[in-house]
Amino acid sequence: AQKITQTQPGMFVQEKEAVTLDCTYDTSDQSYGLFWYKQPSSGEMIFLIYQGSYDEQNATEGRYSLNFQKARKSANLVISASQLGDSAMYFCAMGPGGGNTPLVFGKGTRLSVIA
Amino acid sequence: EAQVTQNPRYLITVTGKKLTVTCSQNMNHEYMSWYRQDPGLGLRQIYYSMNVEVTDKGDVPEGYKVSRKEKRNFPLILESPSPNQTSLYFCASRPASMNTEAFFGQGTRLTVV
Repeated sequence: AQKITQTQPGMFVQEKEAVTLDCTYDTSDQSYGLFWYKQPSSGEMIFLIYQGSYDEQNATEGRYSLNFQKARKSANLVISASQLGDSAMYFCAMGPGGGNTPLVFGKGTRLSVIA
Repeated sequence: EAQVTQNPRYLITVTGKKLTVTCSQNMNHEYMSWYRQDPGLGLRQIYYSMNVEVTDKGDVPEGYKVSRKEKRNFPLILESPSPNQTSLYFCASRPASMNTEAFFGQGTRLTVV
């Protein structure tokens, strides 16, 4: 069975600083994908970034990058130059390579950006 | 516009009164799923469907039913709601291709009193 662990229930970061949100995973699959979602206070789920297990380069999307360390089974999200609008709940998730079951989510990390 | 639409967005109901939360997607996705989100527990899978007439239980299926009679629709049915089903519910869809992100509905905040 797949499992996602997010060990930081809450984090604070100063505006314009970088922040790393931790995510470790467990799976016996060789092919899988890792995802990060943002949930602002309005409640919607916003997809941020994806990393495939066979991707050799770390994924980047604007100010978001995914620090993928396969041997350590970690997929940390790095947000550079934090903005007040980054304050939200962040979820790490993983999906099987075959895509035939829903994504498995961690419990989330609440990020607060301080001016 | 590609989207997953849930209705209603907010619902307050009484214990035992059957209700249905609808979910519809316009992206022709094969996979659809329901999650519930509770504080400190993240998103937990309730039911999912890999295609029309194919459904499977997730991690917390007790007290819920689903059906997938058409590809675009995946309603969540609570036959006899109880207060412990008070939660935020999300419907999501994904295409069958490998490792594509899930697209989420806006969420349904359900309160059972």
